Amino acid sequence: GQSLEQPSEVTAVEGAIVQINCTYQTSGFYGLSWYQQHDGGAPTFLSYNALDGLEETGRFSSFLSRSDSYGYLLLQELQMKDSASYFCAVRAVTGAGSYQLTFGKGTKLSVIP
Amino acid sequence: SQTIHQWPATLVQPVGSPLSLECTVEGTSNPNLYWYRQAAGRGLQLLFYSVGIGQISSEVPQNLSASRPQDRQFILSSKKLLLSDSGFYLCAWTPGQRRVGPYEQYFGPGTRLTVT
Repeated sequence: GQSLEQPSEVTAVEGAIVQINCTYQTSGFYGLSWYQQHDGGAPTFLSYNALDGLEETGRFSSFLSRSDSYGYLLLQELQMKDSASYFCAVRAVTGAGSYQLTFGKGTKLSVIP
Repeated sequence: SQTIHQWPATLVQPVGSPLSLECTVEGTSNPNLYWYRQAAGRGLQLLFYSVGIGQISSEVPQNLSASRPQDRQFILSSKKLLLSDSGFYLCAWTPGQRRVGPYEQYFGPGTRLTVT
């Protein structure tokens, strides 16, 4: 099976940088994804890492170290609209041959002025 | 472009009543479809997934069931709701044949179910 650990809450100041960590245990690792969910909304895809290293998409970057079973999401130049929950998820192949995601419990990010 | 619909958006049902939530996807064919439940302030729990019409896999034993009568339609049902069934139900899809590259799940707007 799969399990993921991430902090439950993080608070950061507008304009600052914040890092949200995720450690995972999984059999058959295919990749680590990050999703953003605003209160009352649906999760939306942010980034995906299949190989070690840093992936950058605008203000957001995601890092993966497969040897450490660890990844993080880095948010730069924080804006108030970044206040949301952030979920890491590992990808695995099911017995039916499809891919499925196992999600962490999420990190609630609060951006303060 | 692809679009995923869910309805209803909100639902209040008494304990013991039946449930039917519907999800449809437009603009793609043969998608993989998923039902998740999210309790308040918690992560997403995978309930069911489907790789094709009539093919349903259950991840968590419970009083819920799922069906896929058409390629782009996924239905979540219950004969008798429990209080513990309250939550935010999300349908999601992924391309059916993709094997490499970024793996994105696309989520519908969700149904907020309150069982009273």
